[in-house]
Amino acid sequence: EAGVAQSPRYKIIEKRQSVAFWCNPISGHATLYWYQQILGQGPKLLIQFQNNGVVDDSQLPKDRFSAERLKGVDSTLKIQPAKLEDSAVYLCASSFVLREQFFGPGTRLTVL
Amino acid sequence: DAKTTQPNSMESNEEEPVHLPCNHSTISGTDYIHWYRQLPSQGPEYVIHGLTSNVNNRMASLAIAEDRKSSTLILHRATLRDAAVYYCILRGANFGNEKLTFGTGTRLTIIP
Repeated sequence: EAGVAQSPRYKIIEKRQSVAFWCNPISGHATLYWYQQILGQGPKLLIQFQNNGVVDDSQLPKDRFSAERLKGVDSTLKIQPAKLEDSAVYLCASSFVLREQFFGPGTRLTVL
Repeated sequence: DAKTTQPNSMESNEEEPVHLPCNHSTISGTDYIHWYRQLPSQGPEYVIHGLTSNVNNRMASLAIAEDRKSSTLILHRATLRDAAVYYCILRGANFGNEKLTFGTGTRLTIIP
């Protein structure tokens, strides 16, 4: 069974530039999550989708971050414009409803 | 969100059992106790979860105190591959409050 796919794996940008991350969840998983993990900390949930609807985006900095899951399958997370403090690993996870989450390998973002 | 308390780090010898403690004194009656681990440079990985009774699976065992205010993850025979950060997380049982709130976890070092 294929796992959660994410791309790119690494991205380096300068502050004030834009960046987008892509996630393809495990087939059949209706729930999709985006997390931000800053070095030395545990992952922090940014947004949760159920199919193509948002369940929780309370910790998403909406002035610069946006996410969509238009067809209820894959998803993109965008940062525009990026700040130095956005340097982190961005993790995507998926699950069946109320079941364990499966995480992708993450995208490591460095903002210079 | 109900919080958990874990030691920052632990060490164990290879091929010996490991007991990772977690305190969750403010757990509610419907919260599940979940454990995830994160190997270096990877996304978190589900380990085990339980509600009231002790649980076993191929990866580990979970022992839950009778008052549910603490739990212990047991790795029966640690290998070098078990070196990771282990997160103890309380998860709600209902749709919409089932998000995972990660702390800083316990960094487990396995000594060859």
